[in-house]
Amino acid sequence: NAGVTQTPKFRILKIGQSMTLQCTQDMNHNYMYWYRQDPGMGLKLIYYSVGAGITDKGEVPNGYNVSRSTTEDFPLRLELAAPSQTSVYFCASSYSSVTQETQYFGPGTRLLVL
Amino acid sequence: QKEVEQNSGPLSVPEGAIASLNCTYSDRGSQSFFWYRQYSGKSPELIMSIYSNGDKEDGRFTAQLNKASQYVSLLIRDSQPSDSATYLCAVKETSGSRLTFGEGTQLTVNP
Repeated sequence: NAGVTQTPKFRILKIGQSMTLQCTQDMNHNYMYWYRQDPGMGLKLIYYSVGAGITDKGEVPNGYNVSRSTTEDFPLRLELAAPSQTSVYFCASSYSSVTQETQYFGPGTRLLVL
Repeated sequence: QKEVEQNSGPLSVPEGAIASLNCTYSDRGSQSFFWYRQYSGKSPELIMSIYSNGDKEDGRFTAQLNKASQYVSLLIRDSQPSDSATYLCAVKETSGSRLTFGEGTQLTVNP
């Protein structure tokens, strides 16, 4: 199993540009999450999904959109990039049961908005 | 008030010593607690989970939970230079699957 994969690994955007960060998991997890991590800080939840077709806002959703058309994929969309969105973005997935709720993280996407 | 607070660090210990990492949380109903390790430039990886009051040991790692005090800690015995990383405390919400992370404590183990 590849686990959680993310593309691209690194991207430079100009202010106002848009892009989609891709996330795919092959563990058949029903829950998926998008976090951002600013330097020296913890993880902030942007959006999450409890299954295909269901998404909900996290702590810092402004400026982002998501969709979940399949169990495997959970892309994150930035419509109008701003310097404040410079960060490292992590996608994660998990089962929903109490005994198997570990969140597994992808390798991250580093985004620089200039 | 932050929902999950960790000792600010950075924390530096000599090789072979015990490293103690602390975390407090505000949601009294939380039942699931996690410690993640994050090497510089890498993604977080789970090293311990704990659900009941008391101690849980896994090799050189011991997680301690005290729900009455809303306190969870991680002890690393016989610290090794390879333990040098940032340790993130995470608390699962009372209902649902979302985690709230602390800001992390950077640990350096000096040879």
